[in-house]
Amino acid sequence: RKEVEQDPGPFNVPEGATVAFNCTYSNSASQSFFWYRQDCRKEPKLLMSVYSSGNEDGRFTAQLNRASQYISLLIRDSKLSDSATYLCAGRAGSYQLTFGKGTKLSVIP
Amino acid sequence: ETGVTQTPRHLVMGMTNKKSLKCEQHLGHNAMYWYKQSAKKPLELMFVYSLEERVENNSVPSRFSPECPNSSHLFLHLHTLQPEDSALYLCASSQDPRPQGSGYTFGSGTRLTVV
Repeated sequence: RKEVEQDPGPFNVPEGATVAFNCTYSNSASQSFFWYRQDCRKEPKLLMSVYSSGNEDGRFTAQLNRASQYISLLIRDSKLSDSATYLCAGRAGSYQLTFGKGTKLSVIP
Repeated sequence: ETGVTQTPRHLVMGMTNKKSLKCEQHLGHNAMYWYKQSAKKPLELMFVYSLEERVENNSVPSRFSPECPNSSHLFLHLHTLQPEDSALYLCASSQDPRPQGSGYTFGSGTRLTVV
């Protein structure tokens, strides 16, 4: 079983739609979780950290469900500029972040 | 300069060549990483350096050789690579032990093509 799994998509949604991504992790010792955004042919950039209590940043909401071992990212009122690949990552030890393959989002006019 | 800088941005090399990738971070971080990103695969951790000492080496072939002369610089020396080594090589840095919620900062990557 892969350590971090994501639906690769693509998710094609119209502007203004709400879209949600889930990511499951297999290592129950994972302590910290993150969502990264990666544009085509660019490096990943940290979008949000994911806290147990859930956290919100504008149109983006991240949640963690430790019992079911998944994290989620909700994007409200999608913009064309949200089109990218979204990577989830988890950390169990001191250093290593383990990434999923990413979920591709295309927001369509 | 700010953030994490990688050079070169693009590299084409033959299988018999020797080349080096360079990474420099200006964030005062104490840990640096090399990741490989291939098409349709997740980011694969290659090497981790913390306080200039290698702390992880994830079964990477010996044709990849890392070097960390100080906490701001990281190199990846390449020799006798194979075409399947063509990928985007990403450097990242972090501050460890890190505060809760602190992730990595990535460089823009070197897109390597082995011919």
